[in-house]
Amino acid sequence: EPEVTQTPSHQVTQMGQEVILRCVPISNHLYFYWYRQILGQKVEFLVSFYNNEISEKSEIFDDQFSVERPDGSNFTLKIRSTKLEDSAMYFCASSLSSGTGANQPQHFGDGTRLSIL
Amino acid sequence: DQQVKQNSPSLSVQEGRISILNCDYTNSMFDYFLWYKKYPAEGPTFLISISSIKDKNEDGRFTVFLNKSAKHLSLHIVPSQPGDSAVYFCAAPGDTGNQFYFGTGTSLTVIP
Repeated sequence: EPEVTQTPSHQVTQMGQEVILRCVPISNHLYFYWYRQILGQKVEFLVSFYNNEISEKSEIFDDQFSVERPDGSNFTLKIRSTKLEDSAMYFCASSLSSGTGANQPQHFGDGTRLSIL
Repeated sequence: DQQVKQNSPSLSVQEGRISILNCDYTNSMFDYFLWYKKYPAEGPTFLISISSIKDKNEDGRFTVFLNKSAKHLSLHIVPSQPGDSAVYFCAAPGDTGNQFYFGTGTSLTVIP
């Protein structure tokens, strides 16, 4: 069964450094998402992406964050200047369709654990 | 602002018995609900969903019930198996359908 893959599985970075988290969504999916889960807390939406642009973002997704689909397969999340509170599991997801009434599940990768020192 | 709530952080059930996981929501505009299962060091895996036009959806050992008037849904697993031990999240898409709201999860332990 096709799956969403994320690399690396664990990223350790010094505070203030830039980090890029990578994802390969399911190949025929058109909608892409990033979520994060701080330890002990719920899974939180960051951003959705469709047709090479952001379709929705949360308050968490501030100017330090950016997303890109640099080629036909990868989907990346960049944090420009990391802070201690950015430490979390970051999950990439993709879906075949989206929007109101689409009733399609989002399929998740296994996540990247980001640790900021 | 917790639009989807799971009030039981953990549940233990004997193998072969029924597991019932509960979820409440506050937004009456939600029209689609999902359950995800998560093992340690893995991402959430889609398990089963239900549209608001239904009150029940069944897939093998898994059944989801929706009570719209109570804004409540539940996941029934019967019979429960040790491999079902995981964290279960309920989720619902927001108004635009892009953002999924997740509950805080219920950790299910099925005791052999």
